[in-house]
Amino acid sequence: GESVGLHLPTLSVQEGDNSIINCAYSNSASDYFIWYKQESGKGPQFIIDIRSNMDKRQGQRVTVLLNKTVKHLSLQIAATQPGDSAVYFCAEGGDTGGFKTIFGAGTRLFVKA
Amino acid sequence: DTAVSQTPKYLVTQMGNDKSIKCEQNLGHDTMYWYKQDSKKFLKIMFSYNNKELIINETVPNRFSPKSPDKAHLNLHINSLELGDSAVYFCASSQGSSSPLHFGNGTRLTVT
Repeated sequence: GESVGLHLPTLSVQEGDNSIINCAYSNSASDYFIWYKQESGKGPQFIIDIRSNMDKRQGQRVTVLLNKTVKHLSLQIAATQPGDSAVYFCAEGGDTGGFKTIFGAGTRLFVKA
Repeated sequence: DTAVSQTPKYLVTQMGNDKSIKCEQNLGHDTMYWYKQDSKKFLKIMFSYNNKELIINETVPNRFSPKSPDKAHLNLHINSLELGDSAVYFCASSQGSSSPLHFGNGTRLTVT
């Protein structure tokens, strides 16, 4: 899961299984949340976002869940594929007029074939 | 057709030198950013510009000076480089506030 620590948390899953990556955020005033995927040698890439007036949003093979009560965000990836191997970041926006997106520490996802 | 492009991709230089990184976006976005990613993959915002105006300066040393000549460009000039400046620097853009960021592929800066 996600944490602010000295090393990158790692999640290892079997190809075809579902993956769940968790994130805790700190600012209860945050109203916009985003998940990004970063592959080696590339910049972070937008996956899915959710605003604070929702608690669930689905995309293609991905679902984001938001629990504002405990300030928790999760990313679920269905039928995980080798191409899903990357570092995943949760981010919270909305601060300072929405011009300051703050990133969590990242979780490295390994998909075993 | 790269949406956000930054140059150079790699930059190796000695302490005390001055260097620049260029960024251009062709998405028509109003807002551009610089982020710094350290060796532990932690991404930290440095600057945010909206319509060429500085919105966020996240207590970055004044050796770092961003310049936005127009909405499509945000360059980063760094004076008197230090060892601790070694990192990957990412440029990004977005359509206004509270919207997804589109990142370039980064500039890996190594200061020796």
